[in-house]
Amino acid sequence: RKEVEQDPGPFNVPEGATVAFNCTYSNSASQSFFWYRQDCRKEPKLLMSVYSSGNEDGRFTAQLNRASQYISLLIRDSKLSDSATYLCVVKALGRLYFGRGTQLTVWP
Amino acid sequence: ETGVTQSPTHLIKTRGQQVTLRCSSQSGHNTVSWYQQALGQGPQFIFQYYREEENGRGNFPPRFSGLQFPNYSSELNVNALELDDSALYLCASSLDGGGGETQYFGPGTRLLVL
Repeated sequence: RKEVEQDPGPFNVPEGATVAFNCTYSNSASQSFFWYRQDCRKEPKLLMSVYSSGNEDGRFTAQLNRASQYISLLIRDSKLSDSATYLCVVKALGRLYFGRGTQLTVWP
Repeated sequence: ETGVTQSPTHLIKTRGQQVTLRCSSQSGHNTVSWYQQALGQGPQFIFQYYREEENGRGNFPPRFSGLQFPNYSSELNVNALELDDSALYLCASSLDGGGGETQYFGPGTRLLVL
């Protein structure tokens, strides 16, 4: 069983749409949680950390449910520039565990 | 930009050869983690170096080895290359063993094994 499971998509949405990504993790000792964004043929870049209380950064909202070991990312008012692969990431013992990523394409 | 650099950017090798990949960490960071990202997959943890010592290893065979230098730059060495080693190799720089700190990724090295 993989440490982090994500729906690979792809998700194809029009500009202005709201889209949600989910992932689950298996290690109950996981310490920190993140969403990374990876553009085609580029390195992953931190989008946002995820906290139990939920957190928001502009159009992006992340949620963590430790009891269910579930992480989500909501993107509102999608932009063309949001097209990328979104990686769900869990940190345990100093190392990062990545999901396989969910591909998002926003079309005009 | 993260300030993390990797070289070379691309590399083509044949099966059985050996390869060395290099990573320069962000200024002030003493920890480097290496990841392998196969096509269509998320990055997989290979190992981490903290203050010149190996500080954790993922599920990779011993032919994957590394080291970290006093200036905290790092090398990843892969011996006896196999076709399945073709991937994007990423290094990530962080502080103090990576615990609780954000890891910043370099642009990666694309390795193709023929």
